[in-house]
Amino acid sequence: EAQVTQNPRYLITVTGKKLTVTCSQNMNHEYMSWYRQDPGLGLRQIYYSMNVEVTDKGDVPEGYKVSRKEKRNFPLILESPSPNQTSLYFCASGTDAATNEKLFFGSGTQLSVL
Amino acid sequence: ILNVEQSPQSLHVQEGDSTNFTCSFPSSNFYALHWYRWETAKSPEALFVMTLNGDEKKKGRISATLNTKEGYSYLYIKGSQPEDSATYLCAFIQGAQKLVFGQGTRLTINP
Repeated sequence: EAQVTQNPRYLITVTGKKLTVTCSQNMNHEYMSWYRQDPGLGLRQIYYSMNVEVTDKGDVPEGYKVSRKEKRNFPLILESPSPNQTSLYFCASGTDAATNEKLFFGSGTQLSVL
Repeated sequence: ILNVEQSPQSLHVQEGDSTNFTCSFPSSNFYALHWYRWETAKSPEALFVMTLNGDEKKKGRISATLNTKEGYSYLYIKGSQPEDSATYLCAFIQGAQKLVFGQGTRLTINP
């Protein structure tokens, strides 16, 4: 089954404790991206990747890191989480780096930073 | 940051009624417009990807139109059903890779 697998689904952590949210897709997609969803603000792009070893900042990259060492995986790293990073996070992938094809989304990660 | 506006932000519709809502985006350097449907506790799922001015797409009771010259897209739902209750997101692509989402229209269908 074609899917984007995102883990964990829920995460509660404390300020400053490094964490990684994993994202994996089995569709051989070139394009992958991370978004955060906050009430009233829509989905905001954190980072995106057009292919292996190619990553770029989205609109809200501060406090986040990503890597794309393999085509299927695109982890999101929070080196020192802060309470303002409490949010709902989505990973997405697509066939086309130019995104004129639809995106497939993971199931989301609800992160709470205390 | 590109400005993608969706209106209204929320909408309550009686079951059986038809409804529509709007996505407004910059009209310059248009590349593509996506519509997604997002049910609570689930992932957003693609409805349409539209690339040409004048495009009309249809999926069952849901359809969408696109006007790139004036910078808007309409999403229509005919004969609303309770299962249509969701947040509808549009996403605008200007140039390549830069995909920006609107804040969504939250639709509630009252039985």
